[in-house]
Amino acid sequence: AQKVTQAQTEISVVEKEDVTLDCVYETRDTTYYLFWYKQPPSGELVFLIRRNSFDEQNEISGRYSWNFQKSTSSFNFTITASQVVDSAVYFCALNEETSGSRLTFGEGTQLTVNP
Amino acid sequence: NAGVTQTPKFQVLKTGQSMTLQCAQDMNHEYMSWYRQDPGMGLRLIHYSVGAGITDQGEVPNGYNVSRSTTEDFPLRLLSAAPSQTSVYFCASSYQGTSGPYEQYFGPGTRLTVT
Repeated sequence: AQKVTQAQTEISVVEKEDVTLDCVYETRDTTYYLFWYKQPPSGELVFLIRRNSFDEQNEISGRYSWNFQKSTSSFNFTITASQVVDSAVYFCALNEETSGSRLTFGEGTQLTVNP
Repeated sequence: NAGVTQTPKFQVLKTGQSMTLQCAQDMNHEYMSWYRQDPGMGLRLIHYSVGAGITDQGEVPNGYNVSRSTTEDFPLRLLSAAPSQTSVYFCASSYQGTSGPYEQYFGPGTRLTVT
């Protein structure tokens, strides 16, 4: 069965600090897909990134970067030079190939960026 | 495109009442799903559908019913509301490409309170 763990329930940083959100997953499939979503205080869910299990390249998008390591079953998310607008709940999610499009979410990490 | 729409945005029910949460998408996605979000528990899958006429249970299906008569619509029915069903409900849609499942597009959510 697939499982996602986000051990950090809440993180609080001061603006301009770098912050890393951890995500550890469990799966028996060799093909799977990992996602990150952002949920700002307004409540909507915003897609950030999709990564398949065969692509271990790290990705950078502006101030956001993702580190995918199959050896440790982790898909961590780093925000560089955090801003107040980054304050949100961030969810990591896993989709096993054998489960169709069924997503399993982690519990989420509440990030607060203070001015 | 409107994307994924949900109605109503807010609803208060008394224990034992029934109601239907509406969900529609205009992206011709074959896959649709319903999640509930409770504090500290992330999003949990209630029911999902891989196409018109095909539905299946997710992680927490008890007390809910779904049907999918068209590609566009995927209503969620609460048969006899209970206080434990107080939650925020999200509908989502996605498609499966040749390189696997793509990101899910979420509706704005319905905040349901059962008294």
